[in-house]
Amino acid sequence: EAGVAQSPRYKIIEKRQSVAFWCNPISGHATLYWYQQILGQGPKLLIQFQNNGVVDDSQLPKDRFSAERLKGVDSTLKIQPAKLEDSAVYLCASSTAVGGSNEQYFGPGTRLTVT
Amino acid sequence: AQKVTQAQTEISVVEKEDVTLDCVYETRDTTYYLFWYKQPPSGELVFLIRRNSFDEQNEISGRYSWNFQKSTSSFNFTITASQVVDSAVYFCALRPYNFNKFYFGSGTKLNVKP
Repeated sequence: EAGVAQSPRYKIIEKRQSVAFWCNPISGHATLYWYQQILGQGPKLLIQFQNNGVVDDSQLPKDRFSAERLKGVDSTLKIQPAKLEDSAVYLCASSTAVGGSNEQYFGPGTRLTVT
Repeated sequence: AQKVTQAQTEISVVEKEDVTLDCVYETRDTTYYLFWYKQPPSGELVFLIRRNSFDEQNEISGRYSWNFQKSTSSFNFTITASQVVDSAVYFCALRPYNFNKFYFGSGTKLNVKP
């Protein structure tokens, strides 16, 4: 079974530029998550989708970050404009459903460097 | 409020030594899950174990063992006879039972030297 796919793996941009990350979850997984992991910290949930609807985006900086999952499968996370403090690894994860014993499977992440 | 604390920022051991990674959590939920993940230099979070709050039995899987103590809100992870390949950052996480939001600790970086 294929795992969670993410691209690109690495991205370097200058501040005030825009960037987009892509995630393709495990086939059949209804729930998709985007996490931000700053160096030396644990992952922090940015947004959670159930199919194509948003379940939780309370920690998403909506003035600059946006995410969509239009067809309930793959998802895109965008930052516009980027700031220096956005330098982090962006992890995508998926699970079969919300709650219960369902565990999350993580992708390899996209390492973003903002200069 | 949900919180996971991993007080050990970094640990260095010599190969074949045993090492224990500490995890203390806070939650008001009566039903929850606890997890350990390994993050090697490649960056991907690798699932190691899930334990639900009803099951306080310790678990052993090869060189790995986990000690869950509800009385002290701890879920510690021990690696026996450590190997260089165990070098990674290890994260403890808490998830409420009916809510798929994970609360991660800040991680413990384990360096195993040959």
